[in-house]
Amino acid sequence: GAVVSQHPSRVICKSGTSVKIECRSLDFQATTMFWYRQFPKQSLMLMATSNEGSKATYEQGVEKDKFLINHASLTLSTLTVTSAHPEDSSFYICSAHRGNTDTQYFGPGTRLTVL
Amino acid sequence: EDKVVQSPLSLVVHEGDTVTLNCSYEVTNFRSLLWYKQEKKAPTFLFMLTSSGIEKKSGRLSSILDKKELFSILNITATQTGDSAVYLCAVEKNNNNDMRFGAGTRLTVKP
Repeated sequence: GAVVSQHPSRVICKSGTSVKIECRSLDFQATTMFWYRQFPKQSLMLMATSNEGSKATYEQGVEKDKFLINHASLTLSTLTVTSAHPEDSSFYICSAHRGNTDTQYFGPGTRLTVL
Repeated sequence: EDKVVQSPLSLVVHEGDTVTLNCSYEVTNFRSLLWYKQEKKAPTFLFMLTSSGIEKKSGRLSSILDKKELFSILNITATQTGDSAVYLCAVEKNNNNDMRFGAGTRLTVKP
């Protein structure tokens, strides 16, 4: 089956630093990837849609200058949390669309803790 | 290798039908199993199951977990067209709160 990986799985950083999270589709090409953030009670919020070779589409309320998304290739999208603050601490999950299908394959998530 | 397998991958029913969606898993450090409904954007949380044999219910939806046989089912009774969506099963792990999602079941309810 399709596999999506995320790296790192866990990161702890100081307030004010930037953190990059990678999302890779390991055995398929993903023209579209999605970035989610998990909130309490297991709810997931879509942050942005990442399209290969073009700018990401951000959801309302998500600061594009703070959460930089780059989809440089058909197998890699990155999310950079710039000038991280403790309130950015969360679980970030990516998913990837496989080819022309509607199926999304989710990564295992990245736990970010900002001290 | 962790696995979360959902079946069927897609399902077409008529309004009023009852459906059962399946999720089986092989995951180390199991913490909980989650069901989500995804229509357009972010998946909407439905249930979290941690204990075997205890049914969780919300309206026409119900779910139960079997930790011995490593599976869960999601039941929807008296389906409506608004139930059409992709239903995702995810397993949350103890270490690092990793999540493993299944590929989802696409449910289509026809009038």
